[in-house]
Amino acid sequence: KAGVTQTPRYLIKTRGQQVTLSCSPISGHRSVSWYQQTPGQGLQFLFEYFSETQRNKGNFPGRFSGRQFSNSRSEMNVSTLELGDSALYLCASSLARGRGDEQYFGPGTRLTVT
Amino acid sequence: DQQVKQNSPSLSVQEGRISILNCDYTNSMFDYFLWYKKYPAEGPTFLISISSIKDKNEDGRFTVFLNKSAKHLSLHIVPSQPGDSAVYFCAASAISSGSARQLTFGSGTQLTVLP
Repeated sequence: KAGVTQTPRYLIKTRGQQVTLSCSPISGHRSVSWYQQTPGQGLQFLFEYFSETQRNKGNFPGRFSGRQFSNSRSEMNVSTLELGDSALYLCASSLARGRGDEQYFGPGTRLTVT
Repeated sequence: DQQVKQNSPSLSVQEGRISILNCDYTNSMFDYFLWYKKYPAEGPTFLISISSIKDKNEDGRFTVFLNKSAKHLSLHIVPSQPGDSAVYFCAASAISSGSARQLTFGSGTQLTVLP
C-alpha cells in the first residue's frame, strides 16, 4: 500500500506571496491532518479534515487554510507569506476510527520564505 | 503553553545499553499517548502507543510506561542499536469537539546510539 505523499518536497517563496501544498493520504484513510515543524518547536497542529470538512483547528492565523476533496486528497494554503512561515509542513492521514488510531505521516514539504 | 514537554533535547547511549526517553504532560484530558521516530528528510514514523487505562505497553525492544499521577511517560529501548539514532517525539491525544482527535507533540529528543 502506498504511503502518504506530499508535493512539492521543497519550495522557495518570497515574503508576501502565497503557496499551496498538496497531500495524498493512504488509500482508505479519510482523515488528513497538517502540522508545522520548526526547530525547537516540535510539531504544531494546524488543522484536520475529515470527509471534506474541517473538524479541528490549531492556533494559527487565518492566513493558513486548507481543504479536502472527495477523494480525501488535501491541500493547504498559506497566504501573505512571512519569514516565520519557513518550516517543514507535514501531512498525516489516519482511518479516523476514533480512539487511538495512529496517524501516518508523509515526508513533508520544506518551505523556505526569503 | 506547552502541554507536552520533552525536557531533554538530546541523549547519547552506547550500543547495547538501555535508552530512556522521557515526556511530561499537563493536560489531564489526554487519554492516549504515542511515540514517533523521525529520521532526517522523512516524516515521523509511529513507534508505539499506550492508552491511559494501561501503565505499560511493550513491543519488541520498545516499552512505554505511563505514570498518570505524575503525568509522565517514558520510552525504553533495550538493547539500543545504532539504527535507533533519530529524533523521538512524544505525542498525546484527547477527544476534542466533534469526536475529532488532535495530536499534541513534544519538541523531540535526538537520540544518538554510539557503536
